[in-house]
Amino acid sequence: DQQVKQNSPSLSVQEGRISILNCDYTNSMFDYFLWYKKYPAEGPTFLISISSIKDKNEDGRFTVFLNKSAKHLSLHIVPSQPGDSAVYFCAANDSGGGADGLTFGKGTHLIIQP
Amino acid sequence: DTEVTQTPKHLVMGMTNKKSLKCEQHMGHRAMYWYKQKAKKPPELMFVYSYEKLSINESVPSRFSPECPNSSLLNLHLHALQPEDSALYLCASSPFEGGGIEKLFFGSGTQLSVL
Repeated sequence: DQQVKQNSPSLSVQEGRISILNCDYTNSMFDYFLWYKKYPAEGPTFLISISSIKDKNEDGRFTVFLNKSAKHLSLHIVPSQPGDSAVYFCAANDSGGGADGLTFGKGTHLIIQP
Repeated sequence: DTEVTQTPKHLVMGMTNKKSLKCEQHMGHRAMYWYKQKAKKPPELMFVYSYEKLSINESVPSRFSPECPNSSLLNLHLHALQPEDSALYLCASSPFEGGGIEKLFFGSGTQLSVL
């Protein structure tokens, strides 16, 4: 059973507009959430994270929003740039569980159109 | 040094070969991880070392054998692999300090092909 879900396999956005990537989770024990960006045949690169005690975290063009009651988070990229084209993975962690790694969603392929 | 370094970047091996993947970090991180990723799939956790002790083994076949010689190094020994083991193998590390939050930093991976 998937505990972290990214229901949009791909998303196409025009350059300069806002990209919104969505993620849902089912495990109530998750309390730390991360977004990673990945190019083919490379390792994921950390983008931004949020703790469950917050509902928003912003870093430059990237903002992550967390709605705990809905078990939903989203990543906003504004303005979108061609270099943002990549696969974006949502990941979650239970900080009370010891070192047990991250649970990843299946990813969303973001394509920025010129 | 803020990198996780993996070698080799590419590896082709036969089903009877023995090879090792290496991973190194000098960020003082106390948790290290091996993940496996197939094309168009998310990374799948294989092993976790916490303070140089194996803490998680996600039912990985014994043809994969992890080793953590010290806090900076992580190896994955491979023996008698199958073609379906072909994948991108990712190493990661995490500070894993007080609070238990795991923020993983990944290496660039080893692209493994088993013939």
